[in-house]
Amino acid sequence: AQRVTQPEKLLSVFKGAPVELKCNYSYSGSPELFWYVQYSRQRLQLLLRHISRESIKGFTADLNKGETSFHLKKPFAQEEDSAMYYCALRTYKYIFGTGTRLKVLA
Amino acid sequence: NAGVTQTPKFQVLKTGQSMTLQCAQDMNHNSMYWYRQDPGMGLRLIYYSASEGTTDKGEVPNGYNVSRLNKREFSLRLESAAPSQTSVYFCATTTGAAQNTEAFFGQGTRLTVV
Repeated sequence: AQRVTQPEKLLSVFKGAPVELKCNYSYSGSPELFWYVQYSRQRLQLLLRHISRESIKGFTADLNKGETSFHLKKPFAQEEDSAMYYCALRTYKYIFGTGTRLKVLA
Repeated sequence: NAGVTQTPKFQVLKTGQSMTLQCAQDMNHNSMYWYRQDPGMGLRLIYYSASEGTTDKGEVPNGYNVSRLNKREFSLRLESAAPSQTSVYFCATTTGAAQNTEAFFGQGTRLTVV
């Protein structure tokens, strides 16, 4: 079965601290993985995709096929990073995880 | 270029009432999706349409029906609303078969069933 697991519902960190949002997936084929972000009162938007291997707003994510993980990382959190983050797997449909709310404290 | 537009933005229904949530896109995308967002449950797929004329059940289809009216529009109908259907509903679109295609979302419909 295809599944995306985000084990943390809430992650609180202080400004300037490193951040890691965990995502594990279950899929027998070659995965297409994404991170989406939802800021307060805004619609969901793409943050990054694994194929691009780029850094967006200081965030990076590496696909680890051995561990079936796609964790989102940022070395120094900023207050404006506070938002809801969703990991997503695309096969013939889009599946999202349960989301992690990131709170960056001043 | 509006992208993905959902109507209405807010709705309050009484138990047993029916209503249709509308979604329209001007991106010429093939695939359209309906999700519901609940605290602690994330985004759960209700129905999706890979292309015009086709629809398939997602993870939580019970209590809902959909219509892919044309390439632009994908509606979600609640025939007899229940309090358990209180949620925020999101419509999304993707180009379809292309690899690593991004999903574009509407602004959401906040539905309360009392």
